[in-house]
Amino acid sequence: GAGVSQSPRYKVAKRGQDVALRCDPISGHVSLFWYQQALGQGPEFLTYFQNEAQLDKSGLPSDRFFAERPEGSVSTLKIQRTQQEDSAVYLCASSLPDRGQETQYFGPGTRLLVL
Amino acid sequence: GESVGLHLPTLSVQEGDNSIINCAYSNSASDYFIWYKQESGKGPQFIIDIRSNMDKRQGQRVTVLLNKTVKHLSLQIAATQPGDSAVYFCAETPNYGGATNKLIFGTGTLLAVQP
Repeated sequence: GAGVSQSPRYKVAKRGQDVALRCDPISGHVSLFWYQQALGQGPEFLTYFQNEAQLDKSGLPSDRFFAERPEGSVSTLKIQRTQQEDSAVYLCASSLPDRGQETQYFGPGTRLLVL
Repeated sequence: GESVGLHLPTLSVQEGDNSIINCAYSNSASDYFIWYKQESGKGPQFIIDIRSNMDKRQGQRVTVLLNKTVKHLSLQIAATQPGDSAVYFCAETPNYGGATNKLIFGTGTLLAVQP
């Protein structure tokens, strides 16, 4: 079946430009997560949605980062006034609650390079 | 965070040998653990999980061992194949009693399988 998809796969932005990254979760998955992965490191949590509600945004590094999931399915991560330190792979994961533990399934990521 | 920079620990094995990848987790309150495999340019792929009330779980060619006393997790891969070459991450879900089941990733290990 279809997994998590993300677009674009690659994005090059000039410093100061705004970018929007899209995530299409697995159909029917209630939970959606965004992670940031720097080169050579493990993913780090950014934010979490349950349906359309953003329940945890404690990992967003600054107020330039904004995420939404207005209809409880597709989600968009927006970064305003991009800076070079924003260069990373942005991963989206979705999960279906199962007895309180949720296996998260990841998309391929969007590789963002800020010049 | 738990990042170690650009130099990942590396495990080099011969094709057909068994591999053991180790991970030390940080939070004694964590109650759910997952191993992910990440190939170059792809998102993390779920391999196997284990709950804190277990100390061993087996899958197809893989076994996860959990030692809560020393907060240690290991992944054993039997008869390692070239297709197993990837970076392997352990991840934990701290049980804070809240709604977020965010993952905290450990240091990745690069598994290199020599034909």
